[in-house]
Amino acid sequence: DTAVSQTPKYLVTQMGNDKSIKCEQNLGHDTMYWYKQDSKKFLKIMFSYNNKELIINETVPNRFSPKSPDKAHLNLHINSLELGDSAVYFCASSLIAGGYNEQFFGPGTRLTVL
Amino acid sequence: SQQGEEDPQALSIQEGENATMNCSYKTSINNLQWYRQNSGRGLVHLILIRSNEREKHSGRLRVTLDTSKKSSSLLITASRAADTASYFCVPSNDYKLSFGAGTTVTVRA
Repeated sequence: DTAVSQTPKYLVTQMGNDKSIKCEQNLGHDTMYWYKQDSKKFLKIMFSYNNKELIINETVPNRFSPKSPDKAHLNLHINSLELGDSAVYFCASSLIAGGYNEQFFGPGTRLTVL
Repeated sequence: SQQGEEDPQALSIQEGENATMNCSYKTSINNLQWYRQNSGRGLVHLILIRSNEREKHSGRLRVTLDTSKKSSSLLITASRAADTASYFCVPSNDYKLSFGAGTTVTVRA
């Protein structure tokens, strides 16, 4: 069983479109995260939810909106996609919030904006 | 949160050799974590070492932590082709994990 899964794995779309990426974890964790990895491989945190409550919201354009319908799911919706949004997006989860325990990562969603 | 700075940026070794990479950070930490990322894949947690620990082992991995020097090292013994990956150290003392550029390790057959 996959611990943290994301769909889709690849997403190719035109500038200006709206798209969503879904994430699910079956680990029973309380906290979930979205990270963005750019072409230089730097991984930057975007959002974190603890028990469906937003606890980390980095300086991210408000075109990005996370939604957590329940503890096991954290989706990322992106409006008006731009070329600079092209990256690999990773979802992760941890048992509790914070950097005090390990995070489990999904396989990533490679987003290409044309 | 703070990023770790891994050194070297890249490392190429022969299968069976040991690989050592270092990490430095700037401010005090609660723990330091090491992650591995194989090409095109998600990150995998390797080891978490707490600030009051000096050394930790997991299989072929050995991690050291020197809080007085604000540094850590990761040793992979008897490397295999499957160890080819990027390795990230993540010093942590708050809610967020910040990842640096990592060390890219290539294990040659």
